Amino acid sequence: KAGVTQTPRYLIKTRGQQVTLSCSPISGHRSVSWYQQTPGQGLQFLFEYFSETQRNKGNFPGRFSGRQFSNSRSEMNVSTLELGDSALYLCASSVDTLYNEQFFGPGTRLTVL
Amino acid sequence: DAKTTQPNSMESNEEEPVHLPCNHSTISGTDYIHWYRQLPSQGPEYVIHGLTSNVNNRMASLAIAEDRKSSTLILHRATLRDAAVYYCILRDVGANNLFFGTGTRLTVIP
Repeated sequence: KAGVTQTPRYLIKTRGQQVTLSCSPISGHRSVSWYQQTPGQGLQFLFEYFSETQRNKGNFPGRFSGRQFSNSRSEMNVSTLELGDSALYLCASSVDTLYNEQFFGPGTRLTVL
Repeated sequence: DAKTTQPNSMESNEEEPVHLPCNHSTISGTDYIHWYRQLPSQGPEYVIHGLTSNVNNRMASLAIAEDRKSSTLILHRATLRDAAVYYCILRDVGANNLFFGTGTRLTVIP
């Protein structure tokens, strides 16, 4: 079974631009969560989607948004990029919410110049 | 969200057992104790989880205190591949958002 895939793996943007990151969950997984990892703040939860609906949201500004498609693939978007948005963005999928482990992708390394 | 406290770092010799402690004194009755680890340059990886009873799987064992205010992840024979940051996380039943703390960086000495 293929794992969680994220594209692109690396991305360089400049301040003020917007970016879209993509995540393909493991086949059969309906829940997709997004996390941001930075050296200063560690791993922080962004949001979770289940069956195309955002079910949980972390404490991030509205510039961070996401969506999930009917095939469970998910995208996250960051508008008006700031230098502080430079981070590793991780996507995780799971079958559903109850008890199941989350499977993480390798992440997208975003650098904002 | 209930918080966890872990030592910043620990060292272990290769092929010896490792006990990684975690304190979670404000745990609620519906919180599961999850452990994940993150190897260098990779996304986190699930290790084990439990509620009240001790748990074993192919990767590790989880020992949970009777009052559930602390737990210990046990790696029975540390290998170099086990060098990683280990995160102890409390996850409410039905919630799919993991709140990672700072974790414990485990160094395995050959």
